[in-house]
Amino acid sequence: EDQVTQSPEALRLQEGESSSLNCSYTVSGLRGLFWYRQDPGKGPEFLFTLYSAGEEKEKERLKATLTKKESFLHITAPKPEDSATYLCAVQANSGYALNFGKGTSLLVTP
Amino acid sequence: SAVISQKPSRDICQRGTSLTIQCQVDSQVTMMFWYRQQPGQSLTLIATANQGSEATYESGFVIDKFPISRPNLTFSTLTVSNMSPEDSSIYLCSVAFGGNEQFFGPGTRLTVL
Repeated sequence: EDQVTQSPEALRLQEGESSSLNCSYTVSGLRGLFWYRQDPGKGPEFLFTLYSAGEEKEKERLKATLTKKESFLHITAPKPEDSATYLCAVQANSGYALNFGKGTSLLVTP
Repeated sequence: SAVISQKPSRDICQRGTSLTIQCQVDSQVTMMFWYRQQPGQSLTLIATANQGSEATYESGFVIDKFPISRPNLTFSTLTVSNMSPEDSSIYLCSVAFGGNEQFFGPGTRLTVL
């Protein structure tokens, strides 16, 4: 059974304090691993897709990396506007369903 | 990028009643999906809405409880039938344009009393 575990559940950072969020996964045949950002009261906003181990994607202060067992979302010099819940999901070759983790709630304080 | 809207944005319903949630996209999409996000839980796929045919349901979800329609390539509805407080959740539609990425609507927050 596909499984996605995100850690930590919650993270509090000072503005400018870089850190990483972890997404560990097990899937029978990975089609893709996805990162989303979700603000309170809104739907998830797509950030990145990673397809194979060693792949990296960057967008502003965010960089996502992928290994065969986990993915990291690195946040460099975060700002308060980066505060949100970050969701990781995997998609297996067998279908189109996204299997989500519970997310990491990030709070960046000035 | 496409605009995805859902109606209603939120509702409070009595147990035993049904609610139909609409999802509208401003361009044609290949695939549409319905997810549920229960408090403290991860998003869970309910079903894939297939245009012109019956929806494909995930394990644990049945058509009698969550009937779905998809009359065209830009619109779908999800009905939550015979509701109980356990159905209180956020319901989200998502769409795919031919790639693997899915893009989500704003969600419908449902409270069942």
